[in-house]
Amino acid sequence: AQSVTQLDSHVSVSEGTPVLLRCNYSSSYSPSLFWYVQHPNKGLQLLLKYTSAATLVKGINGFEAEFKKSETSFHLTKPSAHMSDAAEYFCVVSGPYYTGGFKTIFGAGTRLFVKA
Amino acid sequence: DSGVTQTPKHLITATGQRVTLRCSPRSGDLSVYWYQQSLDQGLQFLIQYYNGEERAKGNILERFSAQQFPDLHSELNLSSLELGDSALYFCASSPGDETQYFGPGTRLLVL
Repeated sequence: AQSVTQLDSHVSVSEGTPVLLRCNYSSSYSPSLFWYVQHPNKGLQLLLKYTSAATLVKGINGFEAEFKKSETSFHLTKPSAHMSDAAEYFCVVSGPYYTGGFKTIFGAGTRLFVKA
Repeated sequence: DSGVTQTPKHLITATGQRVTLRCSPRSGDLSVYWYQQSLDQGLQFLIQYYNGEERAKGNILERFSAQQFPDLHSELNLSSLELGDSALYFCASSPGDETQYFGPGTRLLVL
C-alpha cells in the first residue's frame, strides 16, 4: 500500500528566504515521487521527479528535493523564495498497479504564501 | 502549456443529469489519467487508460465511466449527478512512464 503525507497545510515565508515543504511517504516497494505546483485557477505543473536515480533531484524554477529512504521523506526546498512561487504544492507517490498501469496518490497539498 | 487539452472549461448542470468531459493527450502520449479535485477530498485519482485499455482504477464511483478512443482522446462520463460531484476534473497524459502532464481542467458545477 502507498500513502503520502504533507506535513504542513500552509507555509508562509518572506521573499528572498528559503522554502521548505515537507513530505513523507509510505510504500511497500521503491516508489516514484513527484512534486507538482498548482497556481490559482490553473492546472498542475510538474516541478521535479524521483525515479530511483540520484537522490538529490533538481527541478524547475530553482526547486530541488532530496529522497531519503531511511526517513521516508521527499522534502522540497528552494534557497530563495520569489513572489511568483506563491501557489499550492502537491507531493505525489506513484507505483505499479497489478494490471500494468500506475496508481497515483496525491498529498493533501501545502499552500505556500510569500510575503513581500 | 502542457499540450493536454480539456473541453469544456466550465460546465453547469442540474442534479440527475449526465455530462461528458473530453480530454486530448499530448501528441505521442498513449496514457490518459483522470482526477477529481474538490475542497473536501483533495485530488483523487479516478482511472487510467493506456492505448485504449483500462490499466488502473482509483476512487471512481459506479456512476462514472471513462473510455479512450483509437485516436487516443478520452472521455469521462458522469451520470445521475449529485451536488457533491461539483469539482474540478483534470486529465493528464503520459508517454508511458509515471510522469504525468496535466490539462487545465474542467470545472463542473451541479445545481
